Amino acid sequence: GDSVTQMEGPVTLSEEAFLTINCTYTATGYPSLFWYVQYPGEGLQLLLKATKADDKGSNKGFEATYRKETTSFHLEKGSVQVSDSAVYFCALTPASGGSYIPTFGRGTSLIVHP
Amino acid sequence: NAGVTQTPKFQVLKTGQSMTLQCAQDMNHEYMSWYRQDPGMGLRLIHYSVGAGITDQGEVPNGYNVSRSTTEDFPLRLLSAAPSQTSVYFCASSHWPGEQFFGPGTRLTVL
Repeated sequence: GDSVTQMEGPVTLSEEAFLTINCTYTATGYPSLFWYVQYPGEGLQLLLKATKADDKGSNKGFEATYRKETTSFHLEKGSVQVSDSAVYFCALTPASGGSYIPTFGRGTSLIVHP
Repeated sequence: NAGVTQTPKFQVLKTGQSMTLQCAQDMNHEYMSWYRQDPGMGLRLIHYSVGAGITDQGEVPNGYNVSRSTTEDFPLRLLSAAPSQTSVYFCASSHWPGEQFFGPGTRLTVL
């Protein structure tokens, strides 16, 4: 079946540091790939997405590129802020004609210190 | 648009009690789903629906029932609550296979 593996946290950074959260996946065909963010006490919300190989999703300074050859979708940000502290989830939905079951990673907690 | 709404926000039950968690969306999404989130376990899919009248089981369906009589509503029923069902429950909806829109969650404690 499909799977998503993301680095375990917590990731602890100082403000303005560079962020990378690794995400790799296993799936047939061309799934859609997502990064969601969850702030304390809230539901998940979409951060960015990519639906085909070599697409780059971006939002709020975060970026991730859909790499089919390495089955990866790593999240990056050049300069993190304290307000970026949250839990980040990598996820996929199967290609058309596949199942209707999304697959989520376990989540990576990011803590940014002033 | 209100997006995805869930009620109640908090609930405390005694073992053996039953209850229904409500979920509604106003985006005309055909796909709706229920997850539970537990520390260290990530999100686990309980049940999902691809349209009115169609439901299916996810990863952890035991102890939960769902129905989908309208596009907008997807209630989750706990038949006989157990302490193992203490969790945070999230409802989500989407135009499959697009991004999922999550509700704010229901925090359930079973004593």
